[in-house]
Amino acid sequence: DTAVSQTPKYLVTQMGNDKSIKCEQNLGHDTMYWYKQDSKKFLKIMFSYNNKELIINETVPNRFSPKSPDKAHLNLHINSLELGDSAVYFCASSQLPRTGGINNEQFFGPGTRLTVL
Amino acid sequence: AQSVTQLDSHVSVSEGTPVLLRCNYSSSYSPSLFWYVQHPNKGLQLLLKYTSAATLVKGINGFEAEFKKSETSFHLTKPSAHMSDAAEYFCVVRTGNQFYFGTGTSLTVIP
Repeated sequence: DTAVSQTPKYLVTQMGNDKSIKCEQNLGHDTMYWYKQDSKKFLKIMFSYNNKELIINETVPNRFSPKSPDKAHLNLHINSLELGDSAVYFCASSQLPRTGGINNEQFFGPGTRLTVL
Repeated sequence: AQSVTQLDSHVSVSEGTPVLLRCNYSSSYSPSLFWYVQHPNKGLQLLLKYTSAATLVKGINGFEAEFKKSETSFHLTKPSAHMSDAAEYFCVVRTGNQFYFGTGTSLTVIP
């Protein structure tokens, strides 16, 4: 059983297009995250949702819009794609400390490799 | 403020020799600490975590890490490297709902 799943695994698209990446977790966690990993392997937090509420919103272009229809799903929509958006995007989930998640780690999805041409 | 420093961006070891990947952290609170491994073209997998129960933490694949509060360190070790250990390793500090990632250490294992 896949704990955190992402679709698609690969995404190749032209500049200016709009695309979405979907993420689902079946761990019953209350918090989900989106990370961007660049070619140097740096992981940068983009967004975090707790029970469908945005709790972390790092400095990210407003072309990126997360959407959480329920606490098991966190999708990422990207408008007007640019060359610099090419990266691997990881979804993750965890449980917050105040809800019993002290010391709980994040579980990561397999990643979505986005290539903008 | 919280931060994580992985002191080496690249480490090369020969197969069968010990591995040491260094991590220092700064945290205003009692931190939770983790090491993750990322094999090429794969997602991140938890190696081990510090839960304050014991300062020496054992993880998967023979890895260990020791929490040293006085040195604010959480170095990752393995007695004998295997070819399959070649990967990117991330040290992570958690405070509350925030996870702070180090910049990663790329481990190369030479046959």
